[in-house]
Amino acid sequence: RKEVEQDPGPFNVPEGATVAFNCTYSNSASQSFFWYRQDCRKEPKLLMSVYSSGNEDGRFTAQLNRASQYISLLIRDSKLSDSATYLCVVIHFRGYQKVTFGTGTKLQVIP
Amino acid sequence: NAGVTQTPKFHILKIGQSMTLQCTQDMNHNYMYWYRQDPGMGLKLIYYSVGAGITDKGEVPNGYNVSRSTTEDFPLRLELAAPSQTSVYFCASSQGLPTGELFFGEGSRLTVL
Repeated sequence: RKEVEQDPGPFNVPEGATVAFNCTYSNSASQSFFWYRQDCRKEPKLLMSVYSSGNEDGRFTAQLNRASQYISLLIRDSKLSDSATYLCVVIHFRGYQKVTFGTGTKLQVIP
Repeated sequence: NAGVTQTPKFHILKIGQSMTLQCTQDMNHNYMYWYRQDPGMGLKLIYYSVGAGITDKGEVPNGYNVSRSTTEDFPLRLELAAPSQTSVYFCASSQGLPTGELFFGEGSRLTVL
C-alpha cells in the first residue's frame, strides 16, 4: 500500500460545480497535512493546511479524518482558474521530518 | 521576499557532462529537499538535508550528489549526465516543527541531449 494515495483523475467539472478530492494515508502517526496546488510546469504552492477541526478559506474547505486516515478538499463554485493538479502532502516527524507527496489529482474546470 | 531561489531556470546539457543546480533559501530553514518531476508524473525525492552538514538519500539518488555547508545553500550536482535525468528539478525548504510546511523554488528545467 502506498503511503499516500490520491485518485489521479482527471476530474472534469463545469464552472460553478462543487468537487471533492480525497487522499488516504497509511501512517497513523502522521502529524501535519496539507493541500498544495500545482499549475502546469510550475512549482507546487500551498493551498491549505488541514486540521482535524476542519478549515475553510473562501470556496475551499479541507478536512482531516484521523480515524479513517484520509484528508479531503472541497471546492465550491468552481472557477476556470481552479484548473490545476492538487497534491496531498502528509508529514511525519520521527527524529526528522519525513514528507510524503501524493501523486496529485488533476482538475479541469470546463466553461 | 526571496524565499527559495533556484538557478539556472533552464539548461541544456550534453550526455556525460556535469553541472550543479543551485538552491538558496533566506528563511533560516533547517530542512531542505531536492525533488525531480517528470512530465505528467509526481514529485520524487532525490536528496534531503536536516541541517548544515547533514544530508541523506531520498528515493531516486543515483546520478546525483548534494552538499550542505551552510544553512542557506543546498546545491545538487549531476555527474555524467544521462538523458534519463531530463526533468524539472524543484528545491524546497521547511522550518520543520510545528507545522512542516514546504516552500518551493520555481524549478530548474534540465534537458540532457
